[in-house]
Amino acid sequence: GQQLNQSPQSMFIQEGEDVSMNCTSSSIFNTWLWYKQDPGEGPVLLIALYKAGELTSNGRLTAQFGITRKDSFLNISASIPSDVGIYFCAGQYTSGTYKYIFGTGTRLKVLA
Amino acid sequence: KAGVTQTPRYLIKTRGQQVTLSCSPISGHRSVSWYQQTPGQGLQFLFEYFSETQRNKGNFPGRFSGRQFSNSRSEMNVSTLELGDSALYLCASSLVFDSGANVLTFGAGSRLTVL
Repeated sequence: GQQLNQSPQSMFIQEGEDVSMNCTSSSIFNTWLWYKQDPGEGPVLLIALYKAGELTSNGRLTAQFGITRKDSFLNISASIPSDVGIYFCAGQYTSGTYKYIFGTGTRLKVLA
Repeated sequence: KAGVTQTPRYLIKTRGQQVTLSCSPISGHRSVSWYQQTPGQGLQFLFEYFSETQRNKGNFPGRFSGRQFSNSRSEMNVSTLELGDSALYLCASSLVFDSGANVLTFGAGSRLTVL
């Protein structure tokens, strides 16, 4: 099935550190979404991006819509233990297809 | 505002059986999408419905089908279950903006185990 390249696949970090992850695609997207999923639950929306170059923050989270429209980045500042989980990016093709392609996920573990 | 509700949360079936999963979207959301999540394949798009019409379909066999009712509630059905159908099935509802962009709000999922 189709998946976006998301890196890193997993990471262990110390509490208080900053985290960066990204997604890349060979296709152009018109919307990027970032989600966090906890075990046994559905993904929860963190940030939505609608325009190339857009930089959006949600608390300690900041995401950017790449200028080429083929990539997106998510940064988490000053990580805390509850940031543990799996983070997914999702890209929507140019309008009309109504479906999203999801990244392979980044599993984040925070060491207190 | 109530979120996306999926039922049942967990179910166990045997090969060859069929299963129906239900999804109630957020009030006012007319678009409902279904995704299959497995450790090996990640989140894969199944289909999307808007105003009772299937607008897009993913690359899944015909054993996977769905429908949407006039109240926007949706069901998906999997017939002749196979072991590989074991997965978390996620439903997402969304508003659709004039630009065509939509933001997915997911339910907690239905965990299907096929024995």
